[in-house]
Amino acid sequence: QSALTQPASVSGSPGQSITISCTGTSSDIGGYNYVSWYQQHPGKAPKLIIYEVSIRPSGVSNRFSGSKSGNTASLTISGLQAEDEADYYCNSYTSSSTLVVFGGGTKLTVL
Amino acid sequence: QLQLQESGPGLVKPSETLSLTCSVSGGSISSGSYYWGWIRQPPGMGLHWVGSIFSTGNTYYNSSVKSRVTISVDTSKNQFSLRLTSMTASDTAVYYCARHSSTGTRADYWGPGALVTVSS
Repeated sequence: QSALTQPASVSGSPGQSITISCTGTSSDIGGYNYVSWYQQHPGKAPKLIIYEVSIRPSGVSNRFSGSKSGNTASLTISGLQAEDEADYYCNSYTSSSTLVVFGGGTKLTVL
Repeated sequence: QLQLQESGPGLVKPSETLSLTCSVSGGSISSGSYYWGWIRQPPGMGLHWVGSIFSTGNTYYNSSVKSRVTISVDTSKNQFSLRLTSMTASDTAVYYCARHSSTGTRADYWGPGALVTVSS
């Protein structure tokens, strides 16, 4: 069981926007602005798309955006494209002995 | 462009020890304030952080494997390594090495991953 809770799946049509949530506690997401999001295509390594809640690394499309409210972080993908179909993972720093936690992952299907 | 590459056995017997190495090229493992970590992903499942090391040798580990894991660094070879003892079937996973920030997040460079299967 993952420390951060994500929906198992979300879907959307090309051009639409979707939001993936990532819920933790005050010991991780709620307590720190150290939340990252990763995109993983089948058979590939994860790719960093958002860090420190809302910052996009260089080269990442501005269709990806991140936010946080309380103990829940969110990833929004606007203008869905077929290439966005992938698994998405959140992760956060935590003050617990685990130190780093991941969400269970969300499979995005572009209809 | 920084590149990471995992190497090690693809098959380990139950109760034996796994040793993996991550070779870093295109940059020095000693430069910057980065940590170098291991993350694993069981087949069809999510990502789990195993542990990380700083170039000075400072380490921190996931409490779930802390009694079995050792991560070390060899700055002269620009490599860091994972050692996981008493392997069981539940340790079967793709093992990734990655560079990340001191908070354990912001993993911006990853290796392609190495599948390790635990089976007799």
